[in-house]
Amino acid sequence: LAKTTQPISMDSYEGQEVNITCSHNNIATNDYITWYQQFPSQGPRFIIQGYKTKVTNEVASLFIPADRKSSTLSLPRVSLSDTAVYYCLAHQAGTALIFGKGTTLSVSS
Amino acid sequence: GAGVSQSPSNKVTEKGKDVELRCDPISGHTALYWYRQRLGQGLEFLIYFQGNSAPDKSGLPSDRFSAERTGESVSTLTIQRTQQEDSAVYLCASSLVGRLNTEAFFGQGTRLTVV
Repeated sequence: LAKTTQPISMDSYEGQEVNITCSHNNIATNDYITWYQQFPSQGPRFIIQGYKTKVTNEVASLFIPADRKSSTLSLPRVSLSDTAVYYCLAHQAGTALIFGKGTTLSVSS
Repeated sequence: GAGVSQSPSNKVTEKGKDVELRCDPISGHTALYWYRQRLGQGLEFLIYFQGNSAPDKSGLPSDRFSAERTGESVSTLTIQRTQQEDSAVYLCASSLVGRLNTEAFFGQGTRLTVV
């Protein structure tokens, strides 16, 4: 099981791009990298998933370098509603999802 | 239903009583997960069911905690002889499992308060 390390908290302002980096030095060949977002009083919600290089969807981009030992979640032009906890996971299909402490992102006006 | 359903949404119980929490996963989802989240903390993995395989119980904190799943449908998490430290939100999630990873969908949780 790949251990992930990410910053405890980050602050930003509306309209800025936010990049949250996650370290997973002992990632296994079959591990995928997945990010979830959690708002207060709600369950986490899937944001994006990737294996290598770059993945982009309507919400975010995920950058994964060739060695896959880290990944960066990029949120373009954040708004107040992006204030949440963001979790990075490195895991294989068919195994339990283990969440770390996540990164608390606070967006101010 | 369209999403993962958990019941009850809130439960207040007296210390020492047993409680049962229910999770109805999305139809067709073979994987089901239970988590505990204390106030201001991250998600603590409890147990994982995957089809007919033996469940991964490695996250259960004590023998007071147990969970069952009927086939690929409803799951029940049971906490016996509840303690005040069991107070938390209990979250359930389900997902498809295949060769490629798929996303997990979470319910709204059951807020358990032990008084």
